[in-house]
Amino acid sequence: NAGVMQNPRHLVRRRGQEARLRCSPMKGHSHVYWYRQLPEEGLKFMVYLQKENIIDESGMPKERFSAEFPKEGPSILRIQQVVRGDSAAYFCASSPGQGTHYSPLHFGNGTRLTVT
Amino acid sequence: AQSVTQPDIHITVSEGASLELRCNYSYGATPYLFWYVQSPGQGLQLLLKYFSGDTLVQGIKGFEAEFKRSQSSFNLRKPSVHWSDAAEYFCAVGAGNNNDMRFGAGTRLTVKP
Repeated sequence: NAGVMQNPRHLVRRRGQEARLRCSPMKGHSHVYWYRQLPEEGLKFMVYLQKENIIDESGMPKERFSAEFPKEGPSILRIQQVVRGDSAAYFCASSPGQGTHYSPLHFGNGTRLTVT
Repeated sequence: AQSVTQPDIHITVSEGASLELRCNYSYGATPYLFWYVQSPGQGLQLLLKYFSGDTLVQGIKGFEAEFKRSQSSFNLRKPSVHWSDAAEYFCAVGAGNNNDMRFGAGTRLTVKP
């Protein structure tokens, strides 16, 4: 059983370029969450998506960042015109459903973005 | 809004010694509380969770945690640490949905031989 798959594992971009991070949730999971991890800051929630819908993007920076989860294919976190401050580890998690209680989150191994 | 504090950034213990990692939360209602572990280069794995009921919860890998409402704490414990427990540990608090969950800054555990 494949878990949450994120690629690439490492991504290096120059300032001003675009970064695309991909996340394929576990089979049967329809809910995807993106987090950013900065050193000594823990995980910060960015966005929560279901298929074709953004449910909660309260943690997303207002500019340059966007996310999608199309009907077919992986979820994409897109960062336009990257700056050095975007360097971080980005984690995706999926769950089978929201429900009235927590559905277990399954995390991918992350994408480590370095902006030079 | 809910928040969580992990006072210890880094802890070192000897193999075989007991372990306690501290977690304090802030939330007006009964919280949902979690402990996750992250090995280097890996994602997070759920160790245990508290939703309601018995305040002492058992998790995987021999870990347990105790919810103390009066102290707003949810400390993680293990009676005897193994070298493979070296990792980063995150406490998280939620209000009812996954997107409400807030993580602490983490505690890095080093295990001495």
